[in-house]
Amino acid sequence: AQRVTQPEKLLSVFKGAPVELKCNYSYSGSPELFWYVQYSRQRLQLLLRHISRESIKGFTADLNKGETSFHLKKPFAQEEDSAMYYCALSGRASGTYKYIFGTGTRLKVLA
Amino acid sequence: KAGVTQTPRYLIKTRGQQVTLSCSPISGHRSVSWYQQTPGQGLQFLFEYFSETQRNKGNFPGRFSGRQFSNSRSEMNVSTLELGDSALYLCASSFSGTANYGYTFGSGTRLTVV
Repeated sequence: AQRVTQPEKLLSVFKGAPVELKCNYSYSGSPELFWYVQYSRQRLQLLLRHISRESIKGFTADLNKGETSFHLKKPFAQEEDSAMYYCALSGRASGTYKYIFGTGTRLKVLA
Repeated sequence: KAGVTQTPRYLIKTRGQQVTLSCSPISGHRSVSWYQQTPGQGLQFLFEYFSETQRNKGNFPGRFSGRQFSNSRSEMNVSTLELGDSALYLCASSFSGTANYGYTFGSGTRLTVV
């Protein structure tokens, strides 16, 4: 079954510390992976896509097909990074496209 | 260009009533998906429409239904409301049917059932 797992509900780090938000997926094909972010009182928005190999706001994510992971990383956390982060997967399954979200991880960056 | 617009922003309804939520996608986007967001369950997929056809449906009861019009605008209807239907309902649109460029979300409609 297609699944996106974010094992941590809450991750607290101090400002300036490295951040890694974990995402593991289960999918029997070649999925597209995404990270979305939702800041307090703002709409959910796309942060980055693995196909773009981009760095947004200092965040990067590498798709590891062997470990079926797509962890989100940032070397130095900032207080404004505090938000809810969702990992998502897009792919074809049973003849149709599926778009699946993980349950999210709340990141708190402490001063 | 305008983003994804959802109306109304807030709704308060009584148990047993029915409600209709509206979503206008970004101009040119043909795929519209609906999600229910709650603190306990996170983002739960309701259904997806592409070119007026429902392509995917989540595991929600038949009280939840939707449709998409020729201009890609979409509506979601919930009949016989229950207290547990209280949630933020999000609409997301994408240009392609595969959403490989990601979704653009609206601000949501916060539904409270009393």
